[in-house]
Amino acid sequence: AQSVTQLDSQVPVFEEAPVELRCNYSSSVSVYLFWYVQYPNQGLQLLLKYLSGSTLVKGINGFEAEFNKSQTSFHLRKPSVHISDTAEYFCAVSLQGGGFKTIFGAGTRLFVKA
Amino acid sequence: NAGVTQTPKFRVLKTGQSMTLLCAQDMNHEYMYWYRQDPGMGLRLIHYSVGEGTTAKGEVPDGYNVSRLKKQNFLLGLESAAPSQTSVYFCASSGSGVYNEQFFGPGTRLTVL
Repeated sequence: AQSVTQLDSQVPVFEEAPVELRCNYSSSVSVYLFWYVQYPNQGLQLLLKYLSGSTLVKGINGFEAEFNKSQTSFHLRKPSVHISDTAEYFCAVSLQGGGFKTIFGAGTRLFVKA
Repeated sequence: NAGVTQTPKFRVLKTGQSMTLLCAQDMNHEYMYWYRQDPGMGLRLIHYSVGEGTTAKGEVPDGYNVSRLKKQNFLLGLESAAPSQTSVYFCASSGSGVYNEQFFGPGTRLTVL
């Protein structure tokens, strides 16, 4: 069965420090990979996605993620975070090859401290 | 261009009452979805639709029904609300194909007493 695991439920970090939010998945078929961000009391919005090609993907607000097929991971990184990055981040996986299935991880709450 | 809108934003129900949540999108998207979000569980798909007049069950469909009579609208119904349905409900839409990003509404916070 397919699954998405976000390894940290909460990540506290100081402003201007780097951050990595970890995401691992399991799937028997090829996948598309997404990171979404949810600010307080709002819906989710797309940060970035990997469909094919270069394994390093750049998104909005200075975030980037790297697809590692051998480790089935898609970790999200930012070299220097801001207070405004405080939010919940969701990794999501969609299965290729027909049918419909998108699976979301449980979320990682990023808390940026001054 | 409003994107995805949801009504109502908040609702409190008593056990056994019914209600309908309305989702509307103005992006001419084929696919629409209803999710529920509970603490520590991420988003779970309730029902989805890949086109006008079609619906399908997601991961947690029990206790919910849906209809998509018009392409731009996707309704979620609770026939007899239960406290276990207390949650935040999100509607989303996307273009055809699971490689497309989903656009989310602002959510509906439902409490069932």
